[in-house]
Amino acid sequence: GAVVSQHPSRVICKSGTSVKIECRSLDFQATTMFWYRQFPKQSLMLMATSNEGSKATYEQGVEKDKFLINHASLTLSTLTVTSAHPEDSSFYICSAQPPTSATPPANEQFFGPGTRLTVL
Amino acid sequence: GEDVEQSLFLSVREGDSSVINCTYTDSSSTYLYWYKQEPGAGLQLLTYIFSNMDMKQDQRLTVLLNKKDKHLSLRIADTQTGDSAIYFCAVSSNDYKLSFGAGTTVTVRA
Repeated sequence: GAVVSQHPSRVICKSGTSVKIECRSLDFQATTMFWYRQFPKQSLMLMATSNEGSKATYEQGVEKDKFLINHASLTLSTLTVTSAHPEDSSFYICSAQPPTSATPPANEQFFGPGTRLTVL
Repeated sequence: GEDVEQSLFLSVREGDSSVINCTYTDSSSTYLYWYKQEPGAGLQLLTYIFSNMDMKQDQRLTVLLNKKDKHLSLRIADTQTGDSAIYFCAVSSNDYKLSFGAGTTVTVRA
């Protein structure tokens, strides 16, 4: 089946530093990747949608200058949390979507295992 | 945006059936999903239902959709300890974005 990896799985950083999280589709090409944020006991909140070779589309309330997204290839998207602060501590999850398939569900997303970010 | 609501906790005895409920607001939702998340892991798609269906059964899983009431449910028959996890309801419309509920933590007790 379709596998999506994320690296690192956990990261602890000091306030003010930047952290990069990678999301890779291992056995398929992903035309679209999504980045989510999940707070404890809460739902996944969509942060942004990235399409290969174009700028990411951010959801309302998400600062694009703080959360930099690069989708440089069909198998890799990166999320960089710039000048991280304790309130950015969260579980970040990516998902990857292959080109629209004739097999339903046509818009299935495959999720990575998530990255736990802790900012001290 | 889309609001998706589900109860936060469910405790069930091993061997019994579990029923997780979900309500949503957007009547144009096309696909409705159930995902399972185990500790430290990503979301695993369990099953989905298309909006023109009322019911879908897949082994121990049964999904019921009431479009009029915008209500979706997931029934797990013969619940096992391995079914302990967080279950997320999610809906999508034509823009392919997913809106998630807060997740229901299912605890299976012996």
